[in-house]
Amino acid sequence: QVQLQESGPGLVKPSETLSLTCTVSGGSVSSGSYYWSWIRQPPGKGLEWIGYIYYSGSTNYNPSLKSRVTISVDTSKNQFSLRLSSVTAADTAVYFCAREEEFYFDYWGQGTLVTVSS
Amino acid sequence: DIVMIQSPDSLAVSLGERATINCKSSQSVLYSSNNKNYLAWYQQKPGQPPKLLIYWASTRESGVPDRFSGSGSGTDFTLTISSLQAEDVAVYYCQQYYSTPYTFGQGTNLEIK
Repeated sequence: QVQLQESGPGLVKPSETLSLTCTVSGGSVSSGSYYWSWIRQPPGKGLEWIGYIYYSGSTNYNPSLKSRVTISVDTSKNQFSLRLSSVTAADTAVYFCAREEEFYFDYWGQGTLVTVSS
Repeated sequence: DIVMIQSPDSLAVSLGERATINCKSSQSVLYSSNNKNYLAWYQQKPGQPPKLLIYWASTRESGVPDRFSGSGSGTDFTLTISSLQAEDVAVYYCQQYYSTPYTFGQGTNLEIK
């Protein structure tokens, strides 16, 4: 059974960089069959896809966030990571990592709340 | 970006009755080369991540009860729960994966009447 777990600081100051890691167990980020995504959900609101990474390192980002987002993969640790720079209160959200099976999301992490506040 | 609009925003249905949620995309998500609709449905309960219910518009994910079904093609899609159970109370989202950025509907909040 594939499991994903997000980790990282729950509080980030405005203008700083949000950094999260997703650790995958029961499966491999090196599998060529899947893409690995980040998705976020502001409190009480809907879902926004942030971007994905393939094991080779190729990425695809949401244009609305592209200038501030970096997703990377560490196959040796079976992890992938999200960095979002210059954060504001609008970036306060639950951040989910998820596995893409043929473009839909079949496995999700439990999510981690990141609050942007001084 | 493909805009996904769900209706209604909120729905109250009696136990054992049928629940129907609609999703409309701003452009077709039917890929002509394989005749597949790039549309998924998810269920999200409070404090939990979304759970995949349906993909390719009508294929039920393994383990999902058969009271859940998806239909539609092109730009208009429907999620139907044939006989509502108490555990089906949740927010439901449609998602297109025809093109990036992947986009979701705004969600439909399903409650018991």
